[in-house]
Amino acid sequence: EAGVAQSPRYKIIEKRQSVAFWCNPISGHATLYWYQQILGQGPKLLIQFQNNGVVDDSQLPKDRFSAERLKGVDSTLKIQPAKLEDSAVYLCASSLEVLTSGTYEQYFGPGTRLTVT
Amino acid sequence: AQSVTQLGSHVSVSEGALVLLRCNYSSSVPPYLFWYVQYPNQGLQLLLKYTTGATLVKGINGFEAEFKKSETSFHLTKPSAHMSDAAEYFCAVSDQKLVFGTGTRLLVSP
Repeated sequence: EAGVAQSPRYKIIEKRQSVAFWCNPISGHATLYWYQQILGQGPKLLIQFQNNGVVDDSQLPKDRFSAERLKGVDSTLKIQPAKLEDSAVYLCASSLEVLTSGTYEQYFGPGTRLTVT
Repeated sequence: AQSVTQLGSHVSVSEGALVLLRCNYSSSVPPYLFWYVQYPNQGLQLLLKYTTGATLVKGINGFEAEFKKSETSFHLTKPSAHMSDAAEYFCAVSDQKLVFGTGTRLLVSP
């Protein structure tokens, strides 16, 4: 079974530029997550999709971050314009479904390391 | 709000020694608890999880964790460390979304 794919793996941009990340979840996984992991911290959920609808985007900085999941499969996360504090690893994860018991298992991609200079 | 606290940003052990990584949680409802491992330049991999039932949970690579409600703890242990265990370990708590701790880097020396 193929895992969660992400691209690019690394990206360096200057502040105020825009950047986009792509994620392809495991086939059949209805739920997709984007996390931001700043150096020395644990991952923080940015947005959660169930199929192509947004379940939770409470921690997404909507003035500069946007995400979409067209057709309920692939997803893109965009930052425009980027700030220095956006330097982080952006992780994508997917799971079969969000069970009411909360016992879903998330499978993570390798991440995209973003450096904003 | 649910949260986890991982004590010690770095833990160093010798190969063959006991590994103990500490995690305390805060939750207003019965928690679901997880340990994830992250190797350099890779995503997170689930080691083990506690949902309900047996409080001693066994995971992959010889790791196990014990849920202690009275101590609000979910510490991760392994009887004998191996060089390949060197990685970052994250404890997480969940009701509908995962909330991660800040992580503990495990260093294993020969």
